[in-house]
Amino acid sequence: DQQVKQNSPSLSVQEGRISILNCDYTNSMFDYFLWYKKYPAEGPTFLISISSIKDKNEDGRFTVFLNKSAKHLSLHIVPSQPGDSAVYFCAASDGPSGGGADGLTFGKGTHLIIQP
Amino acid sequence: DTGVSQNPRHKITKRGQNVTFRCDPISEHNRLYWYRQTLGQGPEFLTYFQNEAQLEKSRLLSDRFSAERPKGSFSTLEIQRTEQGDSAMYLCASSPNTISGNTIYFGEGSWLTVV
Repeated sequence: DQQVKQNSPSLSVQEGRISILNCDYTNSMFDYFLWYKKYPAEGPTFLISISSIKDKNEDGRFTVFLNKSAKHLSLHIVPSQPGDSAVYFCAASDGPSGGGADGLTFGKGTHLIIQP
Repeated sequence: DTGVSQNPRHKITKRGQNVTFRCDPISEHNRLYWYRQTLGQGPEFLTYFQNEAQLEKSRLLSDRFSAERPKGSFSTLEIQRTEQGDSAMYLCASSPNTISGNTIYFGEGSWLTVV
């Protein structure tokens, strides 16, 4: 049973527009959420995180929104750039920090394609 | 470069052979993690060290998998008697031990192909 779900395997967005990637989770114990970006044959690169005590966190072009009641989070990228084309993973943790004994639980990823 | 370092980056081995991967975490990070990623899936947590203590190993995939971090610095992941189903990317990650908002940083991964 997948506890973190990314229901869109791929998403195509025009350069300069907003990209919105979605993630749903089922475990109500999760209290820390992260987004990672991954290029082929490389490890995931940390993008942005959010604690469950917040509903929004912003870092440059990246904003993560958390809706705890809906168990839903989203990553907004604006404006989208060609270099943003990659696979994006949503991850969650039920520890006091982003890791700990249970590690992170990842979704299957969404392949974002930025079209010129 | 002060990121998480993994080697070898690629390993092709025959079924039944043993393989070992090494991970050097970011210095000052006392937490170290191993994950596995297969095609079309997100990374899957395997095991976790805090300094030299392995605090979680029940998620290792079978008794053929073992990990060590003898001096609390680098770590090794060994797979004995490899099987074709072990073919995957093995990811190491590290994080500092602070109270809130730890971020886990991943290495570039070690690709294993079992033929």
